[in-house]
Amino acid sequence: DAGITQSPRYKITETGRQVTLMCHQTWSHSYMFWYRQDLGHGLRLIYYSAAADITDKGEVPDGYVVSRSKTENFPLTLESATRSQTSVYFCASSAFRTNEKLFFGSGTQLSVL
Amino acid sequence: DAKTTQPPSMDCAEGRAANLPCNHSTISGNEYVYWYRQIHSQGPQYIIHGLKNNETNEMASLIITEDRKSSTLILPHATLRDTAVYYCIVRVEPGGSYIPTFGRGTSLIVHP
Repeated sequence: DAGITQSPRYKITETGRQVTLMCHQTWSHSYMFWYRQDLGHGLRLIYYSAAADITDKGEVPDGYVVSRSKTENFPLTLESATRSQTSVYFCASSAFRTNEKLFFGSGTQLSVL
Repeated sequence: DAKTTQPPSMDCAEGRAANLPCNHSTISGNEYVYWYRQIHSQGPQYIIHGLKNNETNEMASLIITEDRKSSTLILPHATLRDTAVYYCIVRVEPGGSYIPTFGRGTSLIVHP
């Protein structure tokens, strides 16, 4: 579904560098989420946001920073990338109403060398 | 949190029904069961959800037991394109926030 887009699709960086992954949705959904996916771990929640300027930690937030100044954007920043942050990152959004389904982006494959 | 338990893998013959079980024995009365699937390297895709009653849509059917402690996703006529990882989740809502938590899911392989 083209309503939620992630960029870049692929990223290679070096240890210690700052990296920002972008997520943009066009539905004005209140909720946005960042997950990482590694072999053997399924999808793990990093951070989420219930609305603009409201963010909270998920299961694995260490080493990541998020912001949400506008409803439609939810960037994820790795302030000093480490090799353990090599992963596939998925952004998702959902409406505020209870029991609304999630819509996922296509993912960003990040390699930290 | 209402945790879910799914078998790590299953297989199914093409054209047959695929029945994917999920255990959610600690589910609360107002928590819904959701199913998503993830085809290789793509973002997960919503399939279906339900509270108490059985549900059906164009993709699948969802059967929830009367005590709501388990559910089954049914793909009535599985095709090769249904090969994917299937996730069963329940809505977690501490403090009013909506936090969907995924486990490792079930890897379904549909074979010819």
